[in-house]
Amino acid sequence: GENVEQHPSTLSVQEGDSAVIKCTYSDSASNYFPWYKQELGKRPQLIIDIRSNVGEKKDQRIAVTLNKTAKHFSLHITETQPEDSAVYFCAASHTGTASKLTFGTGTRLQVTL
Amino acid sequence: GAGVSQSPSNKVTEKGKDVELRCDPISGHTALYWYRQSLGQGLEFLIYFQGNSAPDKSGLPSDRFSAERTGGSVSTLTIQRTQQEDSAVYLCASSSQGGVAYEQYFGPGTRLTVT
Repeated sequence: GENVEQHPSTLSVQEGDSAVIKCTYSDSASNYFPWYKQELGKRPQLIIDIRSNVGEKKDQRIAVTLNKTAKHFSLHITETQPEDSAVYFCAASHTGTASKLTFGTGTRLQVTL
Repeated sequence: GAGVSQSPSNKVTEKGKDVELRCDPISGHTALYWYRQSLGQGLEFLIYFQGNSAPDKSGLPSDRFSAERTGGSVSTLTIQRTQQEDSAVYLCASSSQGGVAYEQYFGPGTRLTVT
């Protein structure tokens, strides 16, 4: 089955700097890659997703890139703010498995003033 | 509109007891998923429903775990003879369709503690 690895497990950046989180996946059939943000004690919230037919997607300060050949995708957050502090999870799925999500183990992002 | 809801929000039970966890998906969402999140870990897939049927139960960790969905809406996850390793947050998610890549909306979770 699918296996998703995520790095780093923790990341500390200063406010205004950029943050990058990387994930790799194993199943070449995967075609949907969402990123979820989970604040302490809250439910995961989708912040951005990308499908395999595009290489990059951007939404304001957040962007995701996908390299299908290398089977890795990354989350980029620019101009970080304290409210970006949370745990971020990448995930992968494909229609052949009814879109069940296989998650990475998460990255705890801390944005310091 | 209302999001995914789950009850109870917290459940403390003694080892060996049975527990039932409930999920109310977003109205009209045909696909429903259960995940488990252990402390400091990612989310682990348990089971998927399309309507009332469960075509994928591959993530259920043992036969002590079962789930059902009625009326294409509410789902119940049952854990029999609970063990301490069952302690985790159980999350439910729904999406407008399964089998294709639609956004999954998560509920707030049920925190299960087995003592």
